[in-house]
Amino acid sequence: QVQLVQSETEVKKPGASVKVSCKASGYTFTSYYLHWVRQTAGQGLEWMGVIKANGGSATYAPKFQGRVTMTSDTSTTTAYMELSSLRSEDTAIYYCVRGGTLTYYYFDVWGRGTLVTVSS
Amino acid sequence: QTVVTQEPSLTVSPGGTVTLTCASSTGAVTSGYYPNWFQQKPGQAPRPLIYSTSNRHSWTPARFSGSLLGDKAVLTLSGAQPEDEADYYCLLYYGGPQLVFGGGTKLTVL
Repeated sequence: QVQLVQSETEVKKPGASVKVSCKASGYTFTSYYLHWVRQTAGQGLEWMGVIKANGGSATYAPKFQGRVTMTSDTSTTTAYMELSSLRSEDTAIYYCVRGGTLTYYYFDVWGRGTLVTVSS
Repeated sequence: QTVVTQEPSLTVSPGGTVTLTCASSTGAVTSGYYPNWFQQKPGQAPRPLIYSTSNRHSWTPARFSGSLLGDKAVLTLSGAQPEDEADYYCLLYYGGPQLVFGGGTKLTVL
């Protein structure tokens, strides 16, 4: 079955970077878009950006432009989201989500999330 | 900055019907915004319910339906069950691509 398995919890200091991984299985990795969404404690969902998993270019939400980098490794069917210059407000659960094959506005399978804690 | 607005909270009686709405600060929500709806229960990842305004996923119970009403996207729950108590989020597509989630509606079944 289609699965997205994310990396484990991370604890980082302010100013550091974090790189979250998302290992895909059960489908043709390169045919789909992969979104990243985050959720801060007690808050709602926030779309961060999207990448075509075949190694195409990524598009980021304006709020994260300049601080986020999304990549994919087709040899290991793994997507990555790196967020730099971390601050306490970046403490959140980060989800990868499978998108559509031709469209950006279709979401189906979600990873279980990776908790990133930013604390000095 | 684009804002997507949902009711912060709603209550429905078991077996009752409730309508959740999703509005955009840019104006009327149309099918071109391809509204998605998600359900999230505590400690779980969101679960997709509806895509492209009104299409259910294969796992979505038939009691959930999506539509456009006036200038908003709408999620209707008909025949609410206790297990439907959850947070519900809409997501709108603004091209680019850029997508924005609503703030979420906490639905209580009581």
